[in-house]
Amino acid sequence: GENVEQHPSTLSVQEGDSAVIKCTYSDSASNYFPWYKQELGKRPQLIIDIRSNVGEKKDQRIAVTLNKTAKHFSLHITETQPEDSAVYFCAASSNTGKLIFGQGTTLQVKP
Amino acid sequence: EAGVVQSPRYKIIEKKQPVAFWCNPISGHNTLYWYRQNLGQGPELLIRYENEEAVDDSQLPKDRFSAERLKGVDSTLKIQPAELGDSAVYLCASSLTSNQPQHFGDGTRLSIL
Repeated sequence: GENVEQHPSTLSVQEGDSAVIKCTYSDSASNYFPWYKQELGKRPQLIIDIRSNVGEKKDQRIAVTLNKTAKHFSLHITETQPEDSAVYFCAASSNTGKLIFGQGTTLQVKP
Repeated sequence: EAGVVQSPRYKIIEKKQPVAFWCNPISGHNTLYWYRQNLGQGPELLIRYENEEAVDDSQLPKDRFSAERLKGVDSTLKIQPAELGDSAVYLCASSLTSNQPQHFGDGTRLSIL
């Protein structure tokens, strides 16, 4: 069935370093790939998304890349700051709009 | 623009009791979703509405869970009777249409004693 695998489960970086989170999906019909940031006790917040007709998208310090052939997509955060510390979720959906989420990555940015 | 509004934020009940959650989506959003998020995991879809029609409820445990979206705007999710395993955060999300960006509410954290 539909599945999204996310790695790593935890990631610790020094402030100013880059962080990369990777996801793979199983459903070849998937065409929409959002990333959510969730702080403790708060709502998942959409930070960036990409559609299957695009290979890369960038918004200031965050970027997402998509490899449809390999069914991989990744989140890249540059110049990390302590306020980037949170749990990050990738997700994938087809035209149904049903989001399948990864298991989450806990990012810790050390000052 | 107001975001997705959910209430209550927290609910503590004893097992076998009924409980209901309410969601008001972003104005103009036709698609509404209910997700369940267990501790340390990603959200899992329970049900999706297109206007007032439930178009995907395959993951909703229909023996004890029910939902409705009257007039295609607000929605309620009910559990009756609640079981210990139902303890989780119940998130509501909405989008303009299917496969458009989904925006989440703050969720209802349910604890079953």
